[in-house]
Amino acid sequence: DTGVSQDPRHKITKRGQNVTFRCDPISEHNRLYWYRQTLGQGPEFLTYFQNEAQLEKSRLLSDRFSAERPKGSFSTLEIQRTEQGDSAMYLCASSQQGRGTEAFFGQGTRLTVV
Amino acid sequence: AQKVTQAQTEISVVEKEDVTLDCVYETRDTTYYLFWYKQPPSGELVFLIRRNSFDEQNEISGRYSWNFQKSTSSFNFTITASQVVDSAVYFCALIKDSGGSNYKLTFGKGTLLTVNP
Repeated sequence: DTGVSQDPRHKITKRGQNVTFRCDPISEHNRLYWYRQTLGQGPEFLTYFQNEAQLEKSRLLSDRFSAERPKGSFSTLEIQRTEQGDSAMYLCASSQQGRGTEAFFGQGTRLTVV
Repeated sequence: AQKVTQAQTEISVVEKEDVTLDCVYETRDTTYYLFWYKQPPSGELVFLIRRNSFDEQNEISGRYSWNFQKSTSSFNFTITASQVVDSAVYFCALIKDSGGSNYKLTFGKGTLLTVNP
């Protein structure tokens, strides 16, 4: 399967713990995105990478959030000192270079903070 | 700022009925891109269609069709002869082509479609 893959699919953590999610994009895509989706809402943009460079971060991404894409391949999203409000689906997507190109999404990581 | 409105929160139909999902968008940009995605219970967002603002031709793909009307800022999606497998949340989204962010999707809140047998 050459689609976007995310790991883990589900994560339950206690408040205050750190969590890390991984995303493997479609191999020929140099653009990678993270979105967050809460219940009953559409996904909201968090951050964007072009190759290994993080070019945009949303105001939604507080200091407790950090994302990396070493070597322009897979990406990780870490949340430190998790809070209950961080409970959401975290979606990764990738796309080819170009204006308004369609993004292809992974199945997401559902985070529950208890 | 751009905005996408999907006024229908939930729609329930019986199999084989036709159903139209509405999408209205707001943007100040003259160039933009519109999308529809499907999100089944598994959670993955499945890309359905991309349309740029200069192409107002309607499109048909099997049982799916899209009606893009710039005059009313709408990009509606019709499923003909709906099937149970069409049950999902459908999202309309927009990318504006200015300010360097010609990659960032703005989504509506989605419409939950339930097709009953």
